[in-house]
Amino acid sequence: QVQLQESGPGLVKPSQTLSLTCTVSSGSISSGDYYWSWIRQPAGKGLEWIGRIYTGGSTNYNPSLKSRVTISIDRSKSQFSLKLTSVTAADTALYYCAREDNDQVGASVAFDIWGQGTMVTVSA
Amino acid sequence: DIQLTQSPSFLSASVGDRVTITCRASQGISSYLAWYQQKPGKAPKLLIYAASTLQGAVPSRFSGSGSGTEFTLTISSLQPEDFATYYCQQFNSYPYTFGQGTKLEIK
Repeated sequence: QVQLQESGPGLVKPSQTLSLTCTVSSGSISSGDYYWSWIRQPAGKGLEWIGRIYTGGSTNYNPSLKSRVTISIDRSKSQFSLKLTSVTAADTALYYCAREDNDQVGASVAFDIWGQGTMVTVSA
Repeated sequence: DIQLTQSPSFLSASVGDRVTITCRASQGISSYLAWYQQKPGKAPKLLIYAASTLQGAVPSRFSGSGSGTEFTLTISSLQPEDFATYYCQQFNSYPYTFGQGTKLEIK
């Protein structure tokens, strides 16, 4: 069973760049026809989709964050990464990576596998 | 953006009860809706996708229905492990969005 694990600094200073990596294990990020997403959740609040990347490298971002977000993939390491620039306290959240499963015609239908999440706090 | 509104936001129920959570979309999303269960300190767990398809190993007391703009998640007989927060989420269009969540508590 494929597993995802987020990693990265737990504390980032305001105006700096948040960088996280998601490592795919017990399977390759390149096997299968999947998109890989980042999702965040401020403490005690709901879930916000940040963006996604296809195995082939194409990306889609949430317009609310698009100007600050870059998602990239390193197939050789079976990893994908998130960079969020110019962070503020509003970016403090639990960040999850997740795999998008799709149906027979290739439409995304669910986030079927999630990492355990990594907490990022933005503070001086 | 497509807004998903869940009702109720809080639900108090007893073991053995039948409960239903509703998710309404601000515009039609066909059947591109998933339901997740989240327990404190844990990542969301996929329960249902494509509005009504049960994810493997999810107990059959969970069911989903609906299409277009109105969807429901039903738990036919609540078990102690079902007390959690439930979220709906749409895949019809970007950005993907989630409902605000329904917290299911023990009465």
